[in-house]
Amino acid sequence: GNSVTQMEGPVTLSEEAFLTINCTYTATGYPSLFWYVQYPGEGLQLLLKATKADDKGSNKGFEATYRKETTSFHLEKGSVQVSDSAVYFCALGYDRGSTLGRLYFGRGTQLTVWP
Amino acid sequence: GAVVSQHPSWVICKSGTSVKIECRSLDFQATTMFWYRQFPKQSLMLMATSNEGSKATYEQGVEKDKFLINHASLTLSTLTVTSAHPEDSSFYICSATTGATYNSPLHFGNGTRLTVT
Repeated sequence: GNSVTQMEGPVTLSEEAFLTINCTYTATGYPSLFWYVQYPGEGLQLLLKATKADDKGSNKGFEATYRKETTSFHLEKGSVQVSDSAVYFCALGYDRGSTLGRLYFGRGTQLTVWP
Repeated sequence: GAVVSQHPSWVICKSGTSVKIECRSLDFQATTMFWYRQFPKQSLMLMATSNEGSKATYEQGVEKDKFLINHASLTLSTLTVTSAHPEDSSFYICSATTGATYNSPLHFGNGTRLTVT
């Protein structure tokens, strides 16, 4: 089946620290992988995505590389800011068949950054 | 940018009553809407996929008679939790898209916290 496993939070960091949030997946085909972010009081927003193996998605200083050999899509940022405090969701999805448009989410990881 | 409004943001109801949650796309036409629920410390689970003008497609294990989904227009989908029980207490989130593939942007509502007493 399809599933996504994220590291459990919460994650608490000081400003300018390095961030890694682990994400691994199980898939029946060749999915695309996503990271979504939910800031306090807002809906989920797409942060970045990668559509095939070895692709790197990046946005706002965040990066994640689609690693098929390790079935991983870890989220990284070299220097976090207080404004990065949010819940981060890893997800996978397909573009065909019965799973068209559907996303499989991880449980989310709460990140808190202190000044 | 595209906005999805979900209402109410939280609701408390008594066991046995029904609760309706609305999901509106404010500035775009949503051909497809998705309904998710999230239990504490668990994944966001897809409940159903709703296409405008047709019956919703429910995920395995989701009771369609209990979770009624209506997508009567291109800007509104509703989820009604019928005869709610405490185990239905959860966080419900909708998302909407204009396109036919996952590559089309998905826009999420802020979610609804349902507590059944």
